[in-house]
Amino acid sequence: AQTVTQSQPEMSVQEAETVTLSCTYDTSENNYYLFWYKQPPSRQMILVIRQEAYKQQNATENRFSVNFQKAAKSFSLKISDSQLGDTAMYFCAFMKPFYGGSQGNLIFGKGTKLSVKP
Amino acid sequence: NAGVTQTPKFRILKIGQSMTLQCTQDMNHNYMYWYRQDPGMGLKLIYYSVGAGITDKGEVPNGYNVSRSTTEDFPLRLELAAPSQTSVYFCASSYAGQGEYSNQPQHFGDGTRLSIL
Repeated sequence: AQTVTQSQPEMSVQEAETVTLSCTYDTSENNYYLFWYKQPPSRQMILVIRQEAYKQQNATENRFSVNFQKAAKSFSLKISDSQLGDTAMYFCAFMKPFYGGSQGNLIFGKGTKLSVKP
Repeated sequence: NAGVTQTPKFRILKIGQSMTLQCTQDMNHNYMYWYRQDPGMGLKLIYYSVGAGITDKGEVPNGYNVSRSTTEDFPLRLELAAPSQTSVYFCASSYAGQGEYSNQPQHFGDGTRLSIL
């Protein structure tokens, strides 16, 4: 079974600085997908970034980028130029591809609470 | 474009009562999911559906039932509410198909906060 571990329950960062959130996972699969979701106080689940395991290039979305280390099973999220609106819970999630009998559900870590301070 | 819509947003139930959490999506997604999120935890899968008429259990199905009579709707039923079912419930949907449309990310509803007293 797959597991996702986020070892930092809480983090804080000053506005405009850079912060990195850690995520490790365990799987015997060779192909899979990894995600970072943001959950602000409004409770919505917002997709931040997605990485496909067969792609060696790290995904980027504006101020958000990942450091994907497949051999180490590590998937960290870097937020550059942090903004007050980045304050939220951040969840790392794993998904097996739909082919091969997977139901395509997400397996989540426990989350990291990020506070951006002015 | 509404996406995934969940109702109600909040509900308080007494122990032993029953209720149905509604979920509908307008994106013609074939896969739908119900998750629960307990305080300080990530989401856990309750049930999922791969299409109309087909449902299956996830990691934490006890105390819940689902049905999928149409592509759009995927209601979650609590028959005898228990305090352990106090949680936030999320419905999600995605499309699994061929080629570039395979393995699309899941779209989530805004959640239902349910308290059992």
